[in-house]
Amino acid sequence: EVQLVESGGGLVQPGGSLRLSCAASGFNFNIYMMNWVRQAPGKGLEWVSYISGDSVSVYYADSVKGRFTVSRDNAKNSLYLQMNSLRDEDTAVYYCARERGGSYSDSWGQGTLVTVSS
Amino acid sequence: QSALTQPPSASGSPGQSVTISCTGTSSDVGAYNFVSWYQQHPGKAPRLIIYEVSKRPSGVPDRFSGSKSGNTASLTVSGLQAEDEADYYCSSYAGRNIRCVFGTGTKVTVL
Repeated sequence: EVQLVESGGGLVQPGGSLRLSCAASGFNFNIYMMNWVRQAPGKGLEWVSYISGDSVSVYYADSVKGRFTVSRDNAKNSLYLQMNSLRDEDTAVYYCARERGGSYSDSWGQGTLVTVSS
Repeated sequence: QSALTQPPSASGSPGQSVTISCTGTSSDVGAYNFVSWYQQHPGKAPRLIIYEVSKRPSGVPDRFSGSKSGNTASLTVSGLQAEDEADYYCSSYAGRNIRCVFGTGTKVTVL
């Protein structure tokens, strides 16, 4: 069974940093592209970042470019999102999701809540 | 990259059908047959229900169907059931470095 479990969310002050993790199991993690998608309270889904299976290709939404860094450790079946210079508008539930060809995500984690507030 | 446009709400009685539109541009929906749809119940993660415009993952009832014409994609839920009450989001591939753009979301209410 495919499982994705996010962790690392919490309360952080504006300008602070946080590192999210996503533990994957039940599939051959290193051959799959992965995404981070977020959802602000009461709002819609927003794609945040993408990383290829071999980490060669990484992409970011304009809203986080230069502040967030996506990475993965295939030996540990883990995906990460380093978030720096956090802003109020980064407050959201962050989901990791497995991407298939055609850019659809067929498996999602349960999400981890990041709250940016003073 | 702007969000795809969906109606904020849609509704129908049990057994009826409801269709949700998803309007993009010639750079996303109109350019690729990579439109997907997600169902999200309150407090839950999104669930894939349609991919590549009209394909259904295993386990998704055939009451859910998708189509596309030009820059607009559509999701139809036939034979509405109480458990179909949820938020629905479309998504489209938008180029190599914009992996996907999501729709604004539609809340479906079963009357």
